[in-house]
Parts: sequence; C-alpha cells; structure tokens
Amino acid sequence: TQLLEQSPQFLSIQEGENLTVYCNSSSVFSSLQWYRQEPGEGPVLLVTVVTGGEVKKLKRLTFQFGDARKDSSLHITAAQPGDTGLYLCAGVLGNDYKLSFGAGTTVTVRA
Amino acid sequence: ETGVTQSPTHLIKTRGQQVTLRCSSQSGHNTVSWYQQALGQGPQFIFQYYREEENGRGNFPPRFSGLQFPNYSSELNVNALELDDSALYLCASSLAGRVLPSGTEAFFGQGTRLTVV
Repeated sequence: TQLLEQSPQFLSIQEGENLTVYCNSSSVFSSLQWYRQEPGEGPVLLVTVVTGGEVKKLKRLTFQFGDARKDSSLHITAAQPGDTGLYLCAGVLGNDYKLSFGAGTTVTVRA
Repeated sequence: ETGVTQSPTHLIKTRGQQVTLRCSSQSGHNTVSWYQQALGQGPQFIFQYYREEENGRGNFPPRFSGLQFPNYSSELNVNALELDDSALYLCASSLAGRVLPSGTEAFFGQGTRLTVV
C-alpha cells in the first residue's frame, strides 16, 4: 500500500479549465514536495511545503499543505497544454532519510 | 537542467544477467538516492548513499547494490535480473546529511530505462 494516496489517477480537461489534484495520507509529514514528470524524463521539483496550513503560489499553480501535515493539494488555474504531465507528490516522514512518493496523477490538457 | 546525469539512457538485458547503472551528481551534492519507477507508478526508494556509505535502504532484495565514489558519483548494480526489474531507474542528488532535512530539494536525473527480456 502507498503511504501517499493521490487522486484522481487520471484527469483530462480542456484548455482554460481549472483542476485540482489531491495527495492524502494517514501519516504526518515534516515536508511535502510536488513534482511534474514528462514521459522519458525524471521528475522536476515544483514546490516544497513544510508548514501546516501553508499555501504557495507558482504562477497559475497553487499548492496547499494541510493543517495536520497529512495531506496536500495542487490547483491549476486556466490549464494549458504545457501543463500536461504526471504530477507526483512526495513526503518526508519525521527525521526520515528518503522521499515517499504517491503513484501520481496523469494530467492531460487538450487544446 | 538539474545537473544530474545518468547513463545509459536505455538498456536491454536478458533475464539472469547483471547490469550497472551510473549517476553523476550535481556539483557539491554529497547525497545520492536511487529509485525504481515501474510504468504507471510513482518512484520507489531503493537506497541512499551519503559520503560513500549506505544511509538507508528500501524494500529491495540484496541483489540490488550500490556504490558512491569520492567525487559523489554513484552506481546501481542489479544481479540476476528478473523480468519485473524492467523499469525507469532514477537517481537523485541532494545536499543532505544522514537525515533528509525538511525542505531539502532532491534533483533527479533523466533516468535509465531498463528492459529485461
């Protein structure tokens, strides 16, 4: 079983629409990161959140870390075809030494 | 560009063979982690090296082994390859100690696509 559950697994929307991807766990994380991965490439870090309740904005992307540091969400406003990719959340448990990844959400934005 | 390079980019091996994958870390990074990503899944942690010593290991059998060199480059070795070892193998470098500090960024290479036939 995955430590981090992502939903939905797949998301296909029209250009200009909004979307939200969720990352949930029953465990508390000291930090959580969001990555985007394109086919045949490694994941590219988008953001790191470390404080419960934290909200970070990166242009049209808004990231939120839950108050209890067990969950996070990624919201994209006015999606563009360039936003297409696999979105991965990954967390660090306490003083752990590794990133634990969710299974990812495949986002397709149609022109 | 993350500054992390992996070689080769693609590889086809036969079941039972051995394989060595290589990773060159970002300059100044002293920690390297290896991940296995099966098709349609998120990356799974294999192990991490810090200053040439294994710092932690995921749920992978002993036939997965690694090395980190004084220049912080790294190798992943897999013996007795099985069909289920077919995956994208990713390395990530970071500037971290024995514990991954909250918020430390890990930079990933482009991966090596291993196919076992």
